[in-house]
Amino acid sequence: QKEVEQNSGPLSVPEGAIASLNCTYSDRGSQSFFWYRQYSGKSPELIMSIYSNGDKEDGRFTAQLNKASQYVSLLIRDSQPSDSATYLCAVNRRGGADGLTFGKGTHLIIQP
Amino acid sequence: DTEVTQTPKHLVMGMTNKKSLKCEQHMGHRAMYWYKQKAKKPPELMFVYSYEKLSINESVPSRFSPECPNSSLLNLHLHALQPEDSALYLCASSQDPGVRAAFFGQGTRLTVV
Repeated sequence: QKEVEQNSGPLSVPEGAIASLNCTYSDRGSQSFFWYRQYSGKSPELIMSIYSNGDKEDGRFTAQLNKASQYVSLLIRDSQPSDSATYLCAVNRRGGADGLTFGKGTHLIIQP
Repeated sequence: DTEVTQTPKHLVMGMTNKKSLKCEQHMGHRAMYWYKQKAKKPPELMFVYSYEKLSINESVPSRFSPECPNSSLLNLHLHALQPEDSALYLCASSQDPGVRAAFFGQGTRLTVV
């Protein structure tokens, strides 16, 4: 069973602090890893993609990938109330055109 | 431009109705997807079209029928749905199958009465 695991939260973080979101996956053949942000009633919005081990930074967001540990994380620096949303970890399934497998999502709340 | 356009935004249909959801992208993406999302759940893959051919059907009931008329358009035909099919239906596309990120449309909120 291919799975993507996330802590559903809610994760409450003070404004201006660093929010740390974690994700583990079971399929060692997974090739691509994504973080999506979803506001209530809206569709998922891609915020980060990462394909190789290490860190990838984009503005206030940093994605980290460790394939040996089958672990992906997302750091949000200087958290803002507008960052309050559900963050979905998604993993490309092995073998080509076979879509994404999503974790259940972490509900992040940034406290003003 | 990473826009995927879905119509309609909202749809209410009876269990005997036939309706269609439409999805369009003009990014030259060669893979298109239908996902279903229930409240407080993650998106679940329904269908994958790769180079305009159906490549994956995740054991979706036949009352859902996908169609890809060309590389820019994706339809989902609905017939004899059940109330439990009420959900947010999401279309997505990616540059190529497999590795690349998928971009989602705004979704169609479907209610079956």
